[in-house]
Amino acid sequence: AQSVTQLGSHVSVSEGALVLLRCNYSSSVPPYLFWYVQYPNQGLQLLLKYTTGATLVKGINGFEAEFKKSETSFHLTKPSAHMSDAAEYFCAVSGGGGADGLTFGKGTHLIIQP
Amino acid sequence: NAGVTQTPKFQVLKTGQSMTLQCAQDMNHEYMSWYRQDPGMGLRLIHYSVGAGITDQGEVPNGYNVSRSTTEDFPLRLLSAAPSQTSVYFCASSYVSGQLYEQYFGPGTRLTVT
Repeated sequence: AQSVTQLGSHVSVSEGALVLLRCNYSSSVPPYLFWYVQYPNQGLQLLLKYTTGATLVKGINGFEAEFKKSETSFHLTKPSAHMSDAAEYFCAVSGGGGADGLTFGKGTHLIIQP
Repeated sequence: NAGVTQTPKFQVLKTGQSMTLQCAQDMNHEYMSWYRQDPGMGLRLIHYSVGAGITDQGEVPNGYNVSRSTTEDFPLRLLSAAPSQTSVYFCASSYVSGQLYEQYFGPGTRLTVT
């Protein structure tokens, strides 16, 4: 079984400030890890994913995440927040090589203060 | 290439009614899955399929049936709708080969049960 914990259901940052969204996971097998973004009343958009290889993963819209096996973490960062980054962010893990679906965290709502 | 399509986009049911949410993909993906999204709960896996004729239960399968007679289609059936099944439903298909993992989500179906 696998699980995902996202710390902070709401995170507020100022425009231009660092964005840090935290994600910790548990998995009994090497995980595939994902971050998705969801804008109001829209579907899910993949930001980035880790399967194997390089532990620092770069995604779209200037986001990146680092897989740290020793900390079982996959935190999402962006150096400088933009108003358009305001959205819901979901971390997800697949522990079955991708065949048995994803386990999602409960989400973090990112608020950008002007 | 339409990707993952879901119909209908919106549906209102009365308690006890039955219906089928349709999901189709044209990418020849082996794996397909259904999720429900509720506020503050993230997305939760309902059922998944690793190929035609093979399905299995996810985290929240009660009240839902699935079948996979073809690679392309993965319908989700509500046999007797309950207000607790009011949610947004997402279908996904995925492809895994070595380090390559691709997953695509449909646009969602918003279901209200009164």
